[in-house]
Amino acid sequence: KQEVTQIPAALSVPEGENLVLNCSFTDSAIYNLQWFRQDPGKGLTSLLLIQSSQREQTSGRLNASLDKSSGRSTLYIAASQPGDSATYLCAVNANTDKLIFGTGTRLQVFP
Amino acid sequence: EPEVTQTPSHQVTQMGQEVILRCVPISNHLYFYWYRQILGQKVEFLVSFYNNEISEKSEIFDDQFSVERPDGSNFTLKIRSTKLEDSAMYFCASNAQGIAYNEQFFGPGTRLTVL
Repeated sequence: KQEVTQIPAALSVPEGENLVLNCSFTDSAIYNLQWFRQDPGKGLTSLLLIQSSQREQTSGRLNASLDKSSGRSTLYIAASQPGDSATYLCAVNANTDKLIFGTGTRLQVFP
Repeated sequence: EPEVTQTPSHQVTQMGQEVILRCVPISNHLYFYWYRQILGQKVEFLVSFYNNEISEKSEIFDDQFSVERPDGSNFTLKIRSTKLEDSAMYFCASNAQGIAYNEQFFGPGTRLTVL
């Protein structure tokens, strides 16, 4: 059974720092991995999708990497801003018609 | 930019009542999903729907739940007799070509409170 874990559970950093969020999954047979942002009480905003054949994807200040064989993905946020404060979720699709989510990393960026 | 919409944003109901949560997926998408998130917990898959039928469902999606695409735009989740433990945020999602190929786009959610 696929399990998705995210560490740290919470992170508080000063504005301007570069930071890394981690996601690990137990079954490496995945089709893709998706990173989301969730603001309090709100929906999920898709940030990046990495297919299993890809090593990384970039969007603006965000870079996501995937190491399928070791069951890991990282989300790198460059030059963090207070507006980046949110919960970041990773989710994997493991050859089924559903996403399996991690518990999330709650990020706070203070001025 | 096209987006998934959901109504209502918040629904309060009494235990045992029926509720219908509504979603309008992105117009050219073919695959539709419902997920839920109990407060403080992970987002959990409920059901996927393609070509007017359920393609996969989780253990949570028991006989109390049903989904329907009553017309060309709406996608609904019905809970027949709500329980306290059904209180959660319910998210609708859609994608164009199936989950193996495309990212899923999520709606803003409906917060269901069962009293």
